[in-house]
Amino acid sequence: GAVVSQHPSRVICKSGTSVKIECRSLDFQATTMFWYRQFPKQSLMLMATSNEGSKATYEQGVEKDKFLINHASLTLSTLTVTSAHPEDSSFYICSAPSLAGGTQYFGPGTRLLVL
Amino acid sequence: AQRVTQPEKLLSVFKGAPVELKCNYSYSGSPELFWYVQYSRQRLQLLLRHISRESIKGFTADLNKGETSFHLKKPFAQEEDSAMYYCALATGGTSYGKLTFGQGTILTVHP
Repeated sequence: GAVVSQHPSRVICKSGTSVKIECRSLDFQATTMFWYRQFPKQSLMLMATSNEGSKATYEQGVEKDKFLINHASLTLSTLTVTSAHPEDSSFYICSAPSLAGGTQYFGPGTRLLVL
Repeated sequence: AQRVTQPEKLLSVFKGAPVELKCNYSYSGSPELFWYVQYSRQRLQLLLRHISRESIKGFTADLNKGETSFHLKKPFAQEEDSAMYYCALATGGTSYGKLTFGQGTILTVHP
């Protein structure tokens, strides 16, 4: 089946630095990808929709200047957490819809820890 | 705004017992509902979706629009069913990408 990968799987950074997380669809193309955030012991919350060739669409309450999304190609979307702070520490998960539609393939997630 | 509620955070049953994971939703449009499962140390994966009306790993879920529910059921739980289960509501078009998740239910099946 279709596979979505994320890199890195975990990252630790200092407060004030920027961190880039990659999401790749390995054997299919995705004009749209989605980024979710999951706090410990909580549910996934949709942050934004990444659109290939156009601007990302952010959900209400998500700072677009804080979480920069770039959909560089049909198989790659990146999420950059700019000027990270400890409250940005979380589990970030991306997904891509199946070619036929109707389901999502999820990446394994990236655990970010900001010190 | 849409909302998905899973009232049970934890659910424990013994092997062979029936199990039901509850899910209620609120949405003004026509709902597209899913159950996703996350086994230990694995990524989230689709278990079933209401439009396909299929049974996966013995699980079934019926959409009840009157009660705005989409409960997940299995008549005889197995130990390998132990996992985190998320009910999700899709909006945003045919890609079913914009998912609103419930809080999740951790199912533990004891031997």
